[in-house]
Amino acid sequence: RKEVEQDPGPFNVPEGATVAFNCTYSNSASQSFFWYRQDCRKEPKLLMSVYSSGNEDGRFTAQLNRASQYISLLIRDSKLSDSATYLCAVPRYSSASKIIFGSGTRLSIRP
Amino acid sequence: DTGVSQDPRHKITKRGQNVTFRCDPISEHNRLYWYRQTLGQGPEFLTSFQNEAQLEKSRLLSDRFSAERPKGSFSTLEIQRTEQGDSAMYLCASSSAGGDTDTQYFGPGTRLTVL
Repeated sequence: RKEVEQDPGPFNVPEGATVAFNCTYSNSASQSFFWYRQDCRKEPKLLMSVYSSGNEDGRFTAQLNRASQYISLLIRDSKLSDSATYLCAVPRYSSASKIIFGSGTRLSIRP
Repeated sequence: DTGVSQDPRHKITKRGQNVTFRCDPISEHNRLYWYRQTLGQGPEFLTSFQNEAQLEKSRLLSDRFSAERPKGSFSTLEIQRTEQGDSAMYLCASSSAGGDTDTQYFGPGTRLTVL
């Protein structure tokens, strides 16, 4: 099993829709989690950090389910500009300085 | 701009040549990381530094790869005897160590093409 797994998508949804995708992780001791957004041929940009049960920032909500070892990202009222790849990142069990990234979920918002 | 910077942004080289990339982290950040990313994949950890000390090096990293951070500020990543499989985006990130995990901020990357 990969340390961090994501559904690669693509998720293709209409503008204004709500979309959610999950990220599963294998390290049950992880205390923090990150969602990054990456546009084509650009660097990852931090979208949200999750340190407890969840976090909310405007239209974006991240929720953590420790029992099932997954985190989810919910995007409400999606905009065309939300089209990107969303990367989940989880610290490696044995190292505080090493973060493992998932392969990313591609999201495409259509008009 | 006070973000992470990387130089060059693009590098095309012939197989067998050596290449060196530079990363300048956010000035107050003491941790620095190198990642490699190929199409359709997430960033893959290569190595990390805290100040000038190398913290970790991926077991996947061959001996042809070496990284330094001599004064605890900028870092260089050198690839010797490049191979076509080295073609990728090389990303640098930095963070300010505190607690168990720090939030990492990425530079724009260096895109390497090995012909």
